Amino acid sequence: AQSVAQPEDQVNVAEGNPLTVKCTYSVSGNPYLFWYVQYPNRGLQFLLKYITGDNLVKGSYGFEAEFNKSQTSFHLKKPSALVSDSALYFCAVRDKANAGKSTFGDGTTLTVKP
Amino acid sequence: DAGITQSPRYKITETGRQVTLMCHQTWSHSYMFWYRQDLGHGLRLIYYSAAADITDKGEVPDGYVVSRSKTENFPLTLESATRSQTSVYFCASSESTATLYYFGPGTRLTVL
Repeated sequence: AQSVAQPEDQVNVAEGNPLTVKCTYSVSGNPYLFWYVQYPNRGLQFLLKYITGDNLVKGSYGFEAEFNKSQTSFHLKKPSALVSDSALYFCAVRDKANAGKSTFGDGTTLTVKP
Repeated sequence: DAGITQSPRYKITETGRQVTLMCHQTWSHSYMFWYRQDLGHGLRLIYYSAAADITDKGEVPDGYVVSRSKTENFPLTLESATRSQTSVYFCASSESTATLYYFGPGTRLTVL
């Protein structure tokens, strides 16, 4: 069975500093990995994905993520955080062999302070 | 309007009542999913569908029923609502197994 772990419930950073939101996964075969963001009282929005190719994936709003197969990690990063980045972030792994159903992590709340 | 919609957005019901949450997408995506979001549990998959008339159970299917007679609709029914089904429900659709999910805005359900 596939699984996703987001080890930090909360990440706090100062505006302008780099941020990292951690994600590790477990899946048989090659993973399809995604990051989504959720703003208060809204649905989830896609940020970026890794399917194949370069290990460094660039996505929306200046976010990027690094796929590390040996460490089974897919950490979300941004060089310079904005207050508007404050939100709930979810990592997900998709099971391409089983109707593409996704397993989500429990989420990490990112707070960027001015 | 193109997109994925859910109705109602908010619903209060009583224990034992039947409730149906609607989900409609305009892209003709093959794959559709229902998740519930609870504090401390992230998103948990209730049911999913790979195409019209093809549905399967997810992680937490007990107490729920789905159908998919048309590609664009994927209603979720709580046959006899319980307080433990108080949650925010999200519908999502996807074009293929490798593409992103498009999420609806969610339905906040309260069971008294």
